[in-house]
Amino acid sequence: KAGVTQTPRYLIKTRGQQVTLSCSPISGHRSVSWYQQTPGQGLQFLFEYFSETQRNKGNFPGRFSGRQFSNSRSEMNVSTLELGDSALYLCASSLDSSAGGWDTEAFFGQGTRLTVV
Amino acid sequence: LAKTTQPISMDSYEGQEVNITCSHNNIATNDYITWYQQFPSQGPRFIIQGYKTKVTNEVASLFIPADRKSSTLSLPRVSLSDTAVYYCLVGAPRGASGGSYIPTFGRGTSLIVHP
Repeated sequence: KAGVTQTPRYLIKTRGQQVTLSCSPISGHRSVSWYQQTPGQGLQFLFEYFSETQRNKGNFPGRFSGRQFSNSRSEMNVSTLELGDSALYLCASSLDSSAGGWDTEAFFGQGTRLTVV
Repeated sequence: LAKTTQPISMDSYEGQEVNITCSHNNIATNDYITWYQQFPSQGPRFIIQGYKTKVTNEVASLFIPADRKSSTLSLPRVSLSDTAVYYCLVGAPRGASGGSYIPTFGRGTSLIVHP
């Protein structure tokens, strides 16, 4: 079965612009999480969506937002881009039964490499 | 949230067994221990998860002592393709914790396997 698909794979944007990244989870998975990975800060949790609702949020400014659609596909948006937003953005999906959560295996996409110039 | 501590890097040779230890002194009763592997420019990949004692799958073994304050990921007979960053995560299933859980990956352990 198809894995987690993230588009685009690479993106170059200019400071001040905004960007939207897309994530298609594995079919049947209801939870989608987003992470930012940089050499300096490592892998940091951005937010998690479940049934079109944001369920968890990491410690990032309001410029970072997301949403989830009824088919579980998710998008994240970063407004007013800064140089420090250059990173690999990763999306993960998990089955997440009603009683489950993080104990279920999370499947990651290959990420979107965002470069802000 | 339980904080984890792992070695920053490790070196090994092909065919050897590699053991990576993770410390999690303030692990909670409902917390599970999960390990992920990440290759450059790829997303992390689930390796193994456990709660106590020993768990084994086709890829690795996970040893968890009785006090659960640490865990050891064991990779048998590593090959060059096992060169990657390994992350230890500690956290509770959402239902058991009764609240939100924000997974924390930390910096991981960079394993380099030499020929």
